[in-house]
Amino acid sequence: AQTVTQSQPEMSVQEAETVTLSCTYDTSENNYYLFWYKQPPSRQMILVIRQEAYKQQNATENRFSVNFQKAAKSFSLKISDSQLGDTAMYFCAFMTEGGAQKLVFGQGTRLTINP
Amino acid sequence: DAGVIQSPRHEVTEMGQEVTLRCKLISGHNSLFWYRQTMMRGLELLIYFNNNVPIDDSGMPEDRFSAKMPNASFSTLKIQPSEPRDSAVYFCASSFPGRNQPQHFGDGTRLSIL
Repeated sequence: AQTVTQSQPEMSVQEAETVTLSCTYDTSENNYYLFWYKQPPSRQMILVIRQEAYKQQNATENRFSVNFQKAAKSFSLKISDSQLGDTAMYFCAFMTEGGAQKLVFGQGTRLTINP
Repeated sequence: DAGVIQSPRHEVTEMGQEVTLRCKLISGHNSLFWYRQTMMRGLELLIYFNNNVPIDDSGMPEDRFSAKMPNASFSTLKIQPSEPRDSAVYFCASSFPGRNQPQHFGDGTRLSIL
């Protein structure tokens, strides 16, 4: 079974700093999909960024980018120029190419951006 | 465009009562997912549907839980009878078909069973 591990339960940085959230996963699959979701205090789950495993180029979405290391099974999220509105729980998630079409989530990292 | 709509947003009820959670998919989506979020277990998939057909219900904890899609745009998750350990936030998500399609989540229903 696939597992997703986020080793940082909590992180805190100052506004405008850059922060990197780590995520590792375990799978025997070669093709799969990886996602980062944000859950602010409002509870809504918001997709931040996604990456297909067969693409070597790291995905970017404005201030958000990933460092995808397939051999190391690592998928970290970098937030540049952090803003107060980035304060939230961040979840890394995995979906296989075959089998059940479901997201397997990590336990989350609580990120606080301080003014 | 309207997102995934869940109701109610909060539900508090007594143990033993029947609970029904509702979800309206985004127009055009035909995959529907029910997740449960707790502090102990995090986010877990309960069941998902493609084209109104349940595909994988291996995450449904017990027979007390049931989910239906009476039509292409609407789903219900029912717990009968409810127990205190069912207290959690329940999310519904929908997507276009295909594994690379992102799942769009509703705002969730916070369920408290007393």
